Amino acid sequence: GAVVSQHPSWVICKSGTSVKIECRSLDFQATTMFWYRQFPKQSLMLMATSNEGSKATYEQGVEKDKFLINHASLTLSTLTVTSAHPEDSSFYICSARSGFTYEQYFGPGTRLTVT
Amino acid sequence: QKEVEQNSGPLSVPEGAIASLNCTYSDRGSQSFFWYRQYSGKSPELIMSIYSNGDKEDGRFTAQLNKASQYVSLLIRDSQPSDSATYLCAVNPPAGTALIFGKGTTLSVSS
Repeated sequence: GAVVSQHPSWVICKSGTSVKIECRSLDFQATTMFWYRQFPKQSLMLMATSNEGSKATYEQGVEKDKFLINHASLTLSTLTVTSAHPEDSSFYICSARSGFTYEQYFGPGTRLTVT
Repeated sequence: QKEVEQNSGPLSVPEGAIASLNCTYSDRGSQSFFWYRQYSGKSPELIMSIYSNGDKEDGRFTAQLNKASQYVSLLIRDSQPSDSATYLCAVNPPAGTALIFGKGTTLSVSS
């Protein structure tokens, strides 16, 4: 199956700082990438959809100025959490989809803790 | 509103039994259907895709699709304790970009 990597796998940062998470599709070109957030024992929540070279489309209620998404190439998307606060602590997961199927492949996730 | 419904469970089966997981979806025009497995603390893993009516088998897993009834199921034969996880049903709606996920069914296989 297709492989998606994410870096870092976990990060601890102080309140008010910014954190960047990278998502890479390793063996296919991802025309579309997705960012999800998941709180403990809760469902996946889609945050935004990004297409290579285009601005991301954010879901209702997700602050686009706080969660900056860049999809610079067909294999790389980044999520930057700006001015992080403790309530941003969560499990952030990216997924990627090739242009040929609708299958979405997930990265291993990044666990963010804001102190 | 497009919806994907799953019984949250937990569904408990003994080792070696067949586990049956069910999912219904609201958008009749949906064309692509997926099952993901998510272990606690991990990200989802794609285990089955199905696009046409009928059954699709892959090892111990069988996905079943009935578009007329808007129903998708996943059968796990010879269930193992390692199958204990949350199973997410996902549907790609027509003209949609992101998959719509159900809330998942928690499966517990006891040895």
